[in-house]
Amino acid sequence: DAKTTQPPSMDCAEGRAANLPCNHSTISGNEYVYWYRQIHSQGPQYIIHGLKNNETNEMASLIITEDRKSSTLILPHATLRDTAVYYCIVRVVLGGSQGNLIFGKGTKLSVKP
Amino acid sequence: GAGVSQSPSNKVTEKGKDVELRCDPISGHTALYWYRQSLGQGLEFLIYFQGNSAPDKSGLPSDRFSAERTGGSVSTLTIQRTQQEDSAVYLCASSLASGAGAFYGYTFGSGTRLTVV
Repeated sequence: DAKTTQPPSMDCAEGRAANLPCNHSTISGNEYVYWYRQIHSQGPQYIIHGLKNNETNEMASLIITEDRKSSTLILPHATLRDTAVYYCIVRVVLGGSQGNLIFGKGTKLSVKP
Repeated sequence: GAGVSQSPSNKVTEKGKDVELRCDPISGHTALYWYRQSLGQGLEFLIYFQGNSAPDKSGLPSDRFSAERTGGSVSTLTIQRTQQEDSAVYLCASSLASGAGAFYGYTFGSGTRLTVV
């Protein structure tokens, strides 16, 4: 699996957009980018995923660069409840199965009032 | 059920004892994963079940660790002769199986906090 690089921590003001970067310079053509987050004392929560097109859902937007070597997770209006560790993962999706996702250290996002 | 259920939520055991951790996945989810997370660390993959296929045990740290999944549903993770370094939160996740190019996110349980004293 391709490795990802994320900043260990970031701060964001409540109500502002939180932009979380992820570098995955060795990503291969059939690997997807997934984002999860883990709020303190809870299991991780799936946020969004994408291959090469930008994606948006009710939680966040995912912007993937044209060369796919990096991506940014955007929380458009961060709230205090968005304080969590955010994990960027790249993984190939195999036909009929997914295999395990490899979680790195992630980015600890602190949303401040 | 509505989510992935894990039991017990907390377990304190003496060094050398065996423990069993249980995971009830979401009904209909054919893929089931076990991870563990030590204090302040990231998630460490342990084992993965997919339908009737042989499980991927590549993440199990030693032969003291084993897991089974009965009837394609409930899974039990067993740790024999527990050691203090086994202390961690053990997380279970399930998902639908995906076809090529499709993906369904994992749903994690709240975990079992294991403390070996």
